[in-house]
Amino acid sequence: GEDVEQSLFLSVREGDSSVINCTYTDSSSTYLYWYKQEPGAGLQLLTYIFSNMDMKQDQRLTVLLNKKDKHLSLRIADTQTGDSAIYFCAKMAGGGNKLTFGTGTQLKVEL
Amino acid sequence: EAQVTQNPRYLITVTGKKLTVTCSQNMNHEYMSWYRQDPGLGLRQIYYSMNVEVTDKGDVPEGYKVSRKEKRNFPLILESPSPNQTSLYFCASSSAVTNEKLFFGSGTQLSVL
Repeated sequence: GEDVEQSLFLSVREGDSSVINCTYTDSSSTYLYWYKQEPGAGLQLLTYIFSNMDMKQDQRLTVLLNKKDKHLSLRIADTQTGDSAIYFCAKMAGGGNKLTFGTGTQLKVEL
Repeated sequence: EAQVTQNPRYLITVTGKKLTVTCSQNMNHEYMSWYRQDPGLGLRQIYYSMNVEVTDKGDVPEGYKVSRKEKRNFPLILESPSPNQTSLYFCASSSAVTNEKLFFGSGTQLSVL
């Protein structure tokens, strides 16, 4: 089966950059995603990248995709306390709508 | 406003008492899906539906039923809930055409005592 793995916890200081990493086992994919979940809330789509791209930048967010190593990362520049949340990576299998999610990374931003 | 609406947000019930969690979307999406979220396990798909009257099992379908009689609604039914179904549930939908974006509801926290 498909495995998508993330580290469980990351702590950074306000103003620093955060890098959240994700690895996956199945190389067939169309899109890869980053979702943000704030306490008590649903999942908010942050950004996504098509599998034929290596990088996508959207304001403070930079997504890097290394297909050879099956590694996806999300960099948040100038991290703020409002960025504290759980971040999920997810991938969509080719030809379908099903997303496989990682276990989520709890990001804590300290003053 | 485009949205996926789940009800209720919170539900506490007892073992064996049938319950239904409703999900409705106003975006005319063909695809709808249910996930459960558990600590350390991320989100796992329970059931999905590609269109009206078309449903299929996800990764963890045991103990759940769904129906898709109308395009906008996709209720999740627990005929005989058990404590291991205590979880946070999310409904999601997307267009079959522009399927890169999955829209999520706000979640239903279910506790089965």
